[in-house]
Amino acid sequence: GAGVSQSPSNKVTEKGKDVELRCDPISGHTALYWYRQSLGQGLEFLIYFQGNSAPDKSGLPSDRFSAERTGGSVSTLTIQRTQQEDSAVYLCASSPQGTSYNEQFFGPGTRLTVL
Amino acid sequence: QQPVQSPQAVILREGEDAVINCSSSKALYSVHWYRQKHGEAPVFLMILLKGGEQKGHEKISASFNEKKQQSSLYLTASQLSYSGTYFCGTGSGGAQKLVFGQGTRLTINP
Repeated sequence: GAGVSQSPSNKVTEKGKDVELRCDPISGHTALYWYRQSLGQGLEFLIYFQGNSAPDKSGLPSDRFSAERTGGSVSTLTIQRTQQEDSAVYLCASSPQGTSYNEQFFGPGTRLTVL
Repeated sequence: QQPVQSPQAVILREGEDAVINCSSSKALYSVHWYRQKHGEAPVFLMILLKGGEQKGHEKISASFNEKKQQSSLYLTASQLSYSGTYFCGTGSGGAQKLVFGQGTRLTINP
């Protein structure tokens, strides 16, 4: 079946502009995660959605970052007034349920470059 | 708090064995292991739960020491395809998010 998809695959923007990154999780997966991976670094947790529960936003680095998940499916990560330090690969993952026993399926990521 | 992985990098010849360690300062409920090849998404390898349950690929083995809050991933008779960066992700208590380590870069040479 189809895996997690993300768009765009690459995004180049100018400092100060807003960007939206999209994630389509695997159908039926109730849990959705966003991570940020800077060059050569690990996976930095940003935000987690589980069903209709309030999202866990504890990893968002600043109030310029926000995310929503519509209809329990597609998610959009928005970065306002982008800064050069926002440059990274943004990875989305989904999981059948939001428990520690379920593997996460990662999308290919969006590479964001802020000039 | 981010788990600490060791070593940070390792280079092996094909057929050699490797152990990658993951340590946390927090009590753990679960440990996930993923492998990421350059330019690709991380791929699931294994989950280990408090209490001894495991779920993952047959050719991968790992251990979880709850008292020491550590997990180790064992790669035996390594193949060229094992090359990549290995990440552990830890879950604590009821929290459902994972905190990932900085990764261990594994290079397998012929």
